[in-house]
Amino acid sequence: GQNIDQPTEMTATEGAIVQINCTYQTSGFNGLFWYQQHAGEAPTFLSYNVLDGLEEKGRFSSFLSRSKGYSYLLLKELQMKDSASYLCAVRDYSGGYQKVTFGTGTKLQVIP
Amino acid sequence: DSGVTQTPKHLITATGQRVTLRCSPRSGDLSVYWYQQSLDQGLQFLIQYYNGEERAKGNILERFSAQQFPDLHSELNLSSLELGDSALYFCASSLTSGDSYEQYFGPGTRLTVT
Repeated sequence: GQNIDQPTEMTATEGAIVQINCTYQTSGFNGLFWYQQHAGEAPTFLSYNVLDGLEEKGRFSSFLSRSKGYSYLLLKELQMKDSASYLCAVRDYSGGYQKVTFGTGTKLQVIP
Repeated sequence: DSGVTQTPKHLITATGQRVTLRCSPRSGDLSVYWYQQSLDQGLQFLIQYYNGEERAKGNILERFSAQQFPDLHSELNLSSLELGDSALYFCASSLTSGDSYEQYFGPGTRLTVT
């Protein structure tokens, strides 16, 4: 099985930078995803990492260290609309299947 | 708009009843996933189908079942409903069962059991 940990809540100021961490334990690791979910809405894909290192996409970046079972999502130049839950999800390969497991999410509140 | 459609948007029913939730994947996507999201819990993976066949099972109760039809749409059947089954049920699709790294989520069906 998998164990995914991320902080429950975070608060940051508009215009600032925030880092949301995710740690995981799994065998057969085959990729880590970050999704954004606004309250009552569907999750939307933000980023994907399968190799160690940093992936940058505009204001959002995601980092992965497979040896440490660790990832973070970095949000720069925070905007009020970035207030949402951020879900870390790990894909692994076991029993002949690829399976994606989601963490419980980090609720980010951006304040003026 | 992700291209994934789910019906109905809202469903209110009584305990003990049975309901069917429907999902149409994005055009060309072969894989369908079902998730349950309760108010105090994260996204719980229920089950995955790929091209009509079951590929992975998560925390799906025996009272729940699903299938994927030849036209690739999927249905999630929930029976003997309990109050605790009230949740948002999401369907997601992806091109393949594993090679594609992105799942596209539908808008969800909000189920309320009274």
